[in-house]
Amino acid sequence: QKEVEQNSGPLSVPEGAIASLNCTYSDRGSQSFFWYRQYSGKSPELIMSIYSNGDKEDGRFTAQLNKASQYVSLLIRDSQPSDSATYLCAVNFNGNNRLAFGKGNQVVVIP
Amino acid sequence: GAVVSQHPSWVICKSGTSVKIECRSLDFQATTMFWYRQFPKQSLMLMATSNEGSKATYEQGVEKDKFLINHASLTLSTLTVTSAHPEDSSFYICSARERGSNEKLFFGSGTQLSVL
Repeated sequence: QKEVEQNSGPLSVPEGAIASLNCTYSDRGSQSFFWYRQYSGKSPELIMSIYSNGDKEDGRFTAQLNKASQYVSLLIRDSQPSDSATYLCAVNFNGNNRLAFGKGNQVVVIP
Repeated sequence: GAVVSQHPSWVICKSGTSVKIECRSLDFQATTMFWYRQFPKQSLMLMATSNEGSKATYEQGVEKDKFLINHASLTLSTLTVTSAHPEDSSFYICSARERGSNEKLFFGSGTQLSVL
């Protein structure tokens, strides 16, 4: 089983709609979870971090964490064309000094 | 947020040459830096963890003699790709964790390496 899984394919959403991304992880003891945005040819940019169960909102972004089910999700409200990018889920495993990344989900916002 | 500077942003070299990539934390002390490699449409793959003043820890399958890492100070880590070959062509990204931070990573801008 992969450490961090992001299985859905490219996501196309119309401008103004909600984009929903999901991520599951293998290590039940994980404590820290992150969403990064990566534009083509650029390095990842941290957009959200979440450490406890529930929702965390930051502007148009909401991260949701459910440790019992071992998933973390990201919602992008009022999607804008500038949100078109690949979104990487990252998990810091318990007692481990490194982040494991999912393969990413490409989001395309259609004007 | 914290700034990590990575240089060069792109490099083209001949097969068999060595290439050095620098990663600097500009406004914070980074006790730990990480080096990632990313192939097109793939995720970030951790190559090694670099700790200031000590030897780097390499991930399984990464040749330490080919990818030399030096973390000489709290603000600078370098990755040298020795005797580069076309299969080493990739996007290399460094990241740094600020001392005392809660695991947040800040990424450099990346280096696109093309080996001819």
